[in-house]
Amino acid sequence: KNQVEQSPQSLIILEGKNCTLQCNYTVSPFSNLRWYKQDTGRGPVSLTIMTFSENTKSNGRYTATLDADTKQSSLHITASQLSDSASYICVVPNAGNNRKLIWGLGTSLAVNP
Amino acid sequence: NAGVTQTPKFRILKIGQSMTLQCAQDMNHNYMYWYRQDPGMGLKLIYYSVGAGITDKGEVPNGYNVSRSTTEDFPLRLELAAPSQTSVYFCASSYETSRGDEQFFGPGTRLTVL
Repeated sequence: KNQVEQSPQSLIILEGKNCTLQCNYTVSPFSNLRWYKQDTGRGPVSLTIMTFSENTKSNGRYTATLDADTKQSSLHITASQLSDSASYICVVPNAGNNRKLIWGLGTSLAVNP
Repeated sequence: NAGVTQTPKFRILKIGQSMTLQCAQDMNHNYMYWYRQDPGMGLKLIYYSVGAGITDKGEVPNGYNVSRSTTEDFPLRLELAAPSQTSVYFCASSYETSRGDEQFFGPGTRLTVL
């Protein structure tokens, strides 16, 4: 069964610290992987899209990595800010179909002052 | 650009009532989607559309209907509301690129069925 699993489920860090969120997927065939940020009570916002040939992609303080061989991705947040408090969701198209996405349950990140 | 807009923001329905959730986008995107998000669960696709006049079922279509008469609008109809349809509903739109498509989401509609 095609699945997307994320860890940890939740994370608390102090402002200014770095953190890394993990995503494992068992989706085949694989075409791309996305990371979204969802603030409480709002719709998800895209952070990155990575194709199978890309290993690293940055978007400001967010850096995503992808290992298509081990089917793992990570999202690294550098110098965290209070506004980074949100759910971070890993998303993979189901069997390569960009219309039908498999959404992970997300990692809930709290950045405390 | 307003992006993706949804109305209403909140709604309480009684069991058996019907309603339409409105969604509009001004980005001229071909693809539009309806998702529901239950507490502690990942987003589930209800219906999607690849263009005006073309719709298809997602993972959880039962109890819902859609239509797409224009590129801009993609309403979601709930017939005979049930408590199981209590959820937050998100509309999204996207366009295809060689790398995949980035979906843009609306602010959501929080629906409670009592």
